[in-house]
Amino acid sequence: GQQLNQSPQSMFIQEGEDVSMNCTSSSIFNTWLWYKQEPGEGPVLLIALYKAGELTSNGRLTAQFGITRKDSFLNISASIPSDVGIYFCAGHAEYSGNTGKLIFGQGTTLQVKP
Amino acid sequence: KAGVTQTPRYLIKTRGQQVTLSCSPISGHRSVSWYQQTPGQGLQFLFEYFSETQRNKGNFPGRFSGRQFSNSRSEMNVSTLELGDSALYLCASSAAGTGAYEQYFGPGTRLTVT
Repeated sequence: GQQLNQSPQSMFIQEGEDVSMNCTSSSIFNTWLWYKQEPGEGPVLLIALYKAGELTSNGRLTAQFGITRKDSFLNISASIPSDVGIYFCAGHAEYSGNTGKLIFGQGTTLQVKP
Repeated sequence: KAGVTQTPRYLIKTRGQQVTLSCSPISGHRSVSWYQQTPGQGLQFLFEYFSETQRNKGNFPGRFSGRQFSNSRSEMNVSTLELGDSALYLCASSAAGTGAYEQYFGPGTRLTVT
């Protein structure tokens, strides 16, 4: 199935460090979303982006919609142990008939050492 | 507002059987999308329903079907189960009338096929 290229696949960092992850696509997206999933749960929406170049923050999280509309970035500042989980990027391409369908990246597994 | 609910949370079935999974969207949300999540393929789109109509469908065999009721609750059905159908099935609801926009996920139904 179709997937976005998300990197890195995993990260093991020290508490307090900043984290960056990104997502790229070969095609243009109109919406970029970032989710976090913890074991036994569904993905939780963190940030939604709708315009090329848009920079949006949610607490310690900041995400950007790439200018080319083919990529997006998520930064987490001053990581804490509860940031542990799998982070997914997701994109939606707006064209006729393509309703309700998000394309997901493979996920970035984040582990934080206290 | 209550979140997306899915029932059952866990299910064990035998090859050849069929299964029905249920999803109740966030109150007021009319769009429901279904996804299959596996370690190998990640999150893959199954289909999307809006106002009791399937508007979009992913690349899954006809054994996977769904429907939506007038109260926006949705069900998906998998017939003639195969071992490869073992996965976490997630539904997501959205307030948008068109496009994917922000999707909110339920906790998922973990299906194991033996």
